Amino acid sequence: KQEVTQIPAALSVPEGENLVLNCSFTDSAIYNLQWFRQDPGKGLTSLLLIQSSQREQTSGRLNASLDKSSGRSTLYIAASQPGDSATYLCAVRPGKAAGNKLTFGGGTRVLVKP
Amino acid sequence: GAVVSQHPSWVICKSGTSVKIECRSLDFQATTMFWYRQFPKQSLMLMATSNEGSKATYEQGVEKDKFLINHASLTLSTLTVTSAHPEDSSFYICSARDSGLGSNNEQFFGPGTRLTVL
Repeated sequence: KQEVTQIPAALSVPEGENLVLNCSFTDSAIYNLQWFRQDPGKGLTSLLLIQSSQREQTSGRLNASLDKSSGRSTLYIAASQPGDSATYLCAVRPGKAAGNKLTFGGGTRVLVKP
Repeated sequence: GAVVSQHPSWVICKSGTSVKIECRSLDFQATTMFWYRQFPKQSLMLMATSNEGSKATYEQGVEKDKFLINHASLTLSTLTVTSAHPEDSSFYICSARDSGLGSNNEQFFGPGTRLTVL
């Protein structure tokens, strides 16, 4: 059974610092891995999706890497801003078929202090 | 990106009543939708997989008679919480998987519905 772990569970940094969020998964047979952002009381916003054949994806200040063999992904957020404060979730998908279910990590709550 | 809507965004009801939550994919077709439940400061817990035109598949421990799911069209799934009780109060999130040709079956999430049962 796939298990996804996110460490740390919470993180507080001063504005301007780079953020490093970790995600690990136990079964390396994945189809893709996705990083989401969730603001309090809101739904999930997809940030980056990395296919199993890819090693990284970038969007603006965000960069996500994937090392499938070691079961790890890292989300980097450069030059953090107070608006980056949110909970970040990673999720892995086992296969392409429509019925394949995402397995979520517990999330990392991020606070960026002005 | 693709948009998934949920209605209502929040609802307060009395204990014993039933509440229906709608999940719509606005600009794509979804043969598969998922219903999640989220408790405060916790991650998402998958409740069931909703399949268009067939019965939903429920996760272990989720009562199918209490959480009725109907996926009558390629753009709409509904979750009905029957005979709601205070312990059913939670944040319910749906997601829809793009089943269109050329898509990679990416999954998109709705904004969630906050249910409070008095």
